[in-house]
Amino acid sequence: DIQLTQSPSFLSASVGDRVTITCRASQGISSYLAWYQQKPGKAPKLLIYAASTLQSGVPSRFSGSGSGTEFTLTISSLQPEDFATYYCQQLNSYPLFTFGPGTKVDIK
Amino acid sequence: QVQLVQSGAEVKKPGASVKVSCKASGYTFTSYYMHWVRQAPGQGLEWMGIINPSGGSTSYAQKFQGRVTMTRDTSTSTVYMELSSLRSEDTAVYYCARVDWIAVAGTEPQYYFDYWGQGTLVTVSS
Repeated sequence: DIQLTQSPSFLSASVGDRVTITCRASQGISSYLAWYQQKPGKAPKLLIYAASTLQSGVPSRFSGSGSGTEFTLTISSLQPEDFATYYCQQLNSYPLFTFGPGTKVDIK
Repeated sequence: QVQLVQSGAEVKKPGASVKVSCKASGYTFTSYYMHWVRQAPGQGLEWMGIINPSGGSTSYAQKFQGRVTMTRDTSTSTVYMELSSLRSEDTAVYYCARVDWIAVAGTEPQYYFDYWGQGTLVTVSS
């Protein structure tokens, strides 16, 4: 099975900061990676798929990059509504689409 | 608009079974596969399995093989996830999630979970 790791697992940041989260896969997954945002008590929300394609309606301050085994999610200017937990998901090994352990973004 | 509406919270005793429903609306039910994902309290997301609402075929994570059954009812556009032999570690929020995809020339499709149900809390306690 493909394993995903995320770093950091927790980060504290201020409004306006540029934030970068890294997701690493245990083997190459080309660009078959998605990113989700989850707020407490809510279902995950799709942000990015195919490693870098922004889902419709998602603000342009979110961007994704990477291919193979290393991927990044960047928030260019953190907004108050962005404080949440972020998960990456690999969609290479159909249908076993595993998730990373998550990165919690908290207010500094 | 696409909606996935799940059944309400459940409290079960160890050893019992639970059946969670997910009713789809706003799109052609049989055109999109559905996945089930769970999240234990304070933990991450765990993929459980997939069902094809058209033919009913399923695939489950090895961890749940023998304990999980996913079914569908096309007349009501509803998918179900039944988990048996419950134990305390099964206490979690269970989500259904629709998978969509885009075709990319020369490669496998790019999949993504575009719509999620609101989640169903299942508590296993004696």
